[in-house]
Amino acid sequence: GDSVTQMEGPVTLSEEAFLTINCTYTATGYPSLFWYVQYPGEGLQLLLKATKADDKGSNKGFEATYRKETTSFHLEKGSVQVSDSAVYFCALLSGGTSYGKLTFGQGTILTVHP
Amino acid sequence: EPEVTQTPSHQVTQMGQEVILRCVPISNHLYFYWYRQILGQKVEFLVSFYNNEISEKSEIFDDQFSVERPDGSNFTLKIRSTKLEDSAMYFCASSVSSGKETQYFGPGTRLLVL
Repeated sequence: GDSVTQMEGPVTLSEEAFLTINCTYTATGYPSLFWYVQYPGEGLQLLLKATKADDKGSNKGFEATYRKETTSFHLEKGSVQVSDSAVYFCALLSGGTSYGKLTFGQGTILTVHP
Repeated sequence: EPEVTQTPSHQVTQMGQEVILRCVPISNHLYFYWYRQILGQKVEFLVSFYNNEISEKSEIFDDQFSVERPDGSNFTLKIRSTKLEDSAMYFCASSVSSGKETQYFGPGTRLLVL
């Protein structure tokens, strides 16, 4: 079945540091890939997405490129802020006959210190 | 900006009791979903719903669970006889269509079964 694996957390960075959170996936067909973010006490918010190979999703300085050859969708940001502290979830949406079942990674806790 | 809402935000119940979790999806969306997140674990798909029918369900979604769209706006998840292991955060989501469409999540209901 489909699966998503994220790098182990938690990740602790200083403000303005470079961020990478690794995400790899296993899926049949051609899935869409997503990054969701969960701020403390809130629900899941879509951060960015990519629907086909080589697409780059970007939002709020974050970006991720859909790499079919390495089955990866790593999240990057050049300069993190304290306000980026949250839990980040990589997820995939299978194509084909699946009626919108999102498969999530385990989440990566990011803490950014001033 | 339209958003998915959920009530209540927190619910505490005794084992064996019935609970109903409520969601109001985004108004022009046609597909509705429930997910759950047990503390410290992955977000897991429970069920998808379209045109007043279940489209897909996971193995977690057994006979103790049911979903309903009782009117034009609400979407509910009922747990008939709660168990300790049902304690989790339950997220409702909706999307315009299935396939590659983005799912928008509500803030969640934290259910605690004692």
